[in-house]
Amino acid sequence: QSVLTQPPSASGTPGQRVTISCSGSKSNIVSNTVNWYQHLPGTAPKLLIYSNNQRPSGVPARFSGSISGTSASLAISGLQSEDEADYYCAAWDNRLDGFVFGTGTKVSVL
Amino acid sequence: EVQVVESGGGLVQPGGSLRLSCAASGFTLTSYWVTWVRQAPGKGLEWVANINQDGSQRYYVDSVKGRFTISRDNAKNSVFLQMHSLSAEDTAVYYCARGIASSSSLWGQGTQVTVSS
Repeated sequence: QSVLTQPPSASGTPGQRVTISCSGSKSNIVSNTVNWYQHLPGTAPKLLIYSNNQRPSGVPARFSGSISGTSASLAISGLQSEDEADYYCAAWDNRLDGFVFGTGTKVSVL
Repeated sequence: EVQVVESGGGLVQPGGSLRLSCAASGFTLTSYWVTWVRQAPGKGLEWVANINQDGSQRYYVDSVKGRFTISRDNAKNSVFLQMHSLSAEDTAVYYCARGIASSSSLWGQGTQVTVSS
């Protein structure tokens, strides 16, 4: 069981805004930066957000990250069919002395 | 082409060993932390281990401590994951990544490890 908890699923219609939450604690989200990954099983995971809210080159601006207390959020605005994938938050955990991934959220485009 | 490529996966019996390799091309791997991440069937991503640029810092998830060893050979531009005492719970696709949490993050396509008799 991961120390970072995400909702198992989220969905929206094309063009809508979808938000995914990631609930953590003082030892991970509060103390260290949060990253978000997009993953289609069988393919290479892709880093979407690093350092809480930074986008690597090539990641569309409709992906954004934020932090509030012990929680992090990923927002996808202008949802597109190609956004159907699994999304994971992740952060270093000082108590576990290791990197932890969230439980994952499957995003569906209706 | 800038890429990392995993190899060494396969079918191994419970209690057996396997050595995974992560080879970099198009860039120098020595400048980066390197991480192994796995995904078991029907499960989410799980961080396994990482190693810093000169190999002086190594971290492991509790479930593999004492069984897995991460190492690197900078002359070969490669990182390795030596796995011992494998069990069914280690069955997964294993991914190698440079800079897992940086703007230069780069992941491989993964290599399948299956532990079964």
